[in-house]
Amino acid sequence: DTAVSQTPKYLVTQMGNDKSIKCEQNLGHDTMYWYKQDSKKFLKIMFSYNNKELIINETVPNRFSPKSPDKAHLNLHINSLELGDSAVYFCASSQDRKWRNSPLHFGNGTRLTVT
Amino acid sequence: KQEVTQIPAALSVPEGENLVLNCSFTDSAIYNLQWFRQDPGKGLTSLLLIQSSQREQTSGRLNASLDKSSGRSTLYIAASQPGDSATYLCADGLTFGKGTHLIIQP
Repeated sequence: DTAVSQTPKYLVTQMGNDKSIKCEQNLGHDTMYWYKQDSKKFLKIMFSYNNKELIINETVPNRFSPKSPDKAHLNLHINSLELGDSAVYFCASSQDRKWRNSPLHFGNGTRLTVT
Repeated sequence: KQEVTQIPAALSVPEGENLVLNCSFTDSAIYNLQWFRQDPGKGLTSLLLIQSSQREQTSGRLNASLDKSSGRSTLYIAASQPGDSATYLCADGLTFGKGTHLIIQP
């Protein structure tokens, strides 16, 4: 009964391809996030959705498009993959959209390798 | 824009020692201060969350403190164990530090 689950765990693909990463949370949380962790282990927020509404959109190339079909799911689609997209992508959720009072819960990450 | 810094980047101590991990932030108007643990190949596990109005939180052998005036938070780990080996990250809201890689030597 994993709280935040991501699929796939590993994704190896070639430059120029389009790929998707899926995320689901069964915590009943209202807010979900995508983070990117680069090779230096630095975690950076990419997107956040609250009840299917986009509330955070950091400076991310428009090749990245999040989609939230319902508040329990937040998927990440990446077009025209580039070598620099190689990283670990983490999905997270929290009860509070202002993240003031509620902790972030993370999935185990998806390691994307672009060759 | 908030910046979160963690020093040192890596720390190795013998088992049984008490230790302190440091986290500093540039903007004292923080949302909250959260400490996480990350094991290799895994996601982040929330350890403690200190709300902006609080000074500290405790859970078992862990104690986290928050001093907004000085822009600092510390994570105190008592009686360290090899199982505590991991990378520890602090975050203000959604902004993360780069973490401290902790190794507890048996």
